[in-house]
Amino acid sequence: QKEVEQDPGPLSVPEGAIVSLNCTYSNSAFQYFMWYRQYSRKGPELLMYTYSSGNKEDGRFTAQVDKSSKYISLFIRDSQPSDSATYLCAMENRDDKIIFGKGTRLHILP
Amino acid sequence: EAQVTQNPRYLITVTGKKLTVTCSQNMNHEYMSWYRQDPGLGLRQIYYSMNVEVTDKGDVPEGYKVSRKEKRNFPLILESPSPNQTSLYFCASRTTGGGLEKLFFGSGTQLSVL
Repeated sequence: QKEVEQDPGPLSVPEGAIVSLNCTYSNSAFQYFMWYRQYSRKGPELLMYTYSSGNKEDGRFTAQVDKSSKYISLFIRDSQPSDSATYLCAMENRDDKIIFGKGTRLHILP
Repeated sequence: EAQVTQNPRYLITVTGKKLTVTCSQNMNHEYMSWYRQDPGLGLRQIYYSMNVEVTDKGDVPEGYKVSRKEKRNFPLILESPSPNQTSLYFCASRTTGGGLEKLFFGSGTQLSVL
């Protein structure tokens, strides 16, 4: 079983829809959970992070972590065409090593 | 402006011709790292450095070399490039203060080895 699994998509949704992106993981040593956003021809940028189970909200974005199920999610409300990008989940263990998911390509259709 | 600068952005070369991709950061970060990104395989770490003169292998180090003589620079060297090293390369840096530290990425270097 891979350490981090993420559906590569592509995922196409109409503008204004709620988007749900997910990752599962197998290593219970992960303690930090992150979402990076990568636009075409650009480097990834940190979008959100959390270190505990539960929800964290920032504007239209909500990150959710369920450590008991080893499952993390990113929700995007009122999705916009500018949200079209690849979203990578990432997880960090106590040794500072970050493992990235393969990324989900998201297309928001105007 | 805080940034990680990679050069060149695009590089086409031939098998066996040594090349260097430069990386520089202006944030005084201790940690620097190189990744390659391939379709279906995601981001994979090549080498990383926790500080000056300290480098370690990542997940896919074969065929690559790095050096960290100065804190701000972390060049990636391909002594004898091969077509399977055609990829999108990213340099990244962050502090090492313990806990979650934001990883800053460069804009990438698209390498094609013919």
